[in-house]
Amino acid sequence: QVKMVESGGGVVQPGRSLRLSCAASGFTFSTYAMDWVRQAPGKGLEWVAFISNDGNNKNYADSVKGRFTISRDKSKNTLYLQMNSLRAEDTAVYYCAREGLATYLRVFDVWGQGTMVAVSP
Amino acid sequence: DIQMTQSPSTLSASVGDRLTISCRASQSINNWLAWYQQKPGKAPKLLIYKTSSLDSGVPSRFSGSGSGTEFTLAISSLQPDDFATYYCQQYNTYWTFGQGTKVEIK
Repeated sequence: QVKMVESGGGVVQPGRSLRLSCAASGFTFSTYAMDWVRQAPGKGLEWVAFISNDGNNKNYADSVKGRFTISRDKSKNTLYLQMNSLRAEDTAVYYCAREGLATYLRVFDVWGQGTMVAVSP
Repeated sequence: DIQMTQSPSTLSASVGDRLTISCRASQSINNWLAWYQQKPGKAPKLLIYKTSSLDSGVPSRFSGSGSGTEFTLAISSLQPDDFATYYCQQYNTYWTFGQGTKVEIK
């Protein structure tokens, strides 16, 4: 079945780096654009980053631009989020999300279970 | 940037009630609007896309409507499984979520 599993979260000090992974299975990974969405504790959802199906196009929320990098590895069916210069306000559950096709274009039709990132001294 | 504003933030309701949640965009989003349901500790789940199209497997008691900048999610007869937080999302220009509406038991 279609599944995405995030990993790589944890507790990190401000200013340090962390790389999140999202392993996809049950679908042709290279066909789909992918995104990262985060949710701070007790707060709403915030889109973080986008990558096209071929990896050639990327977009970022202003809050992470210049610090975070989204990438993907077709051979490993895996999506990544490299997070540098982490701040306390980056503390959140990070979800990977698949964008659908056809009438579901740009809609987040499948989500991973999330991985928690806590930025603390 | 397009801002999305949901109302109310919290809604108290009983099983069997009909309820509506509103979502307003700061500019026209050409009906590129989705609704998601999220339960505590779980990932969001897609309910509705393109304003009014139900995702596969979503019960017909859910419906979406609206145009331009004003949108509505309706639940015709609230079921126990529907107590959750609901988010609208525009996908006309990048992606922006509303702040969420928590549907709680009255």
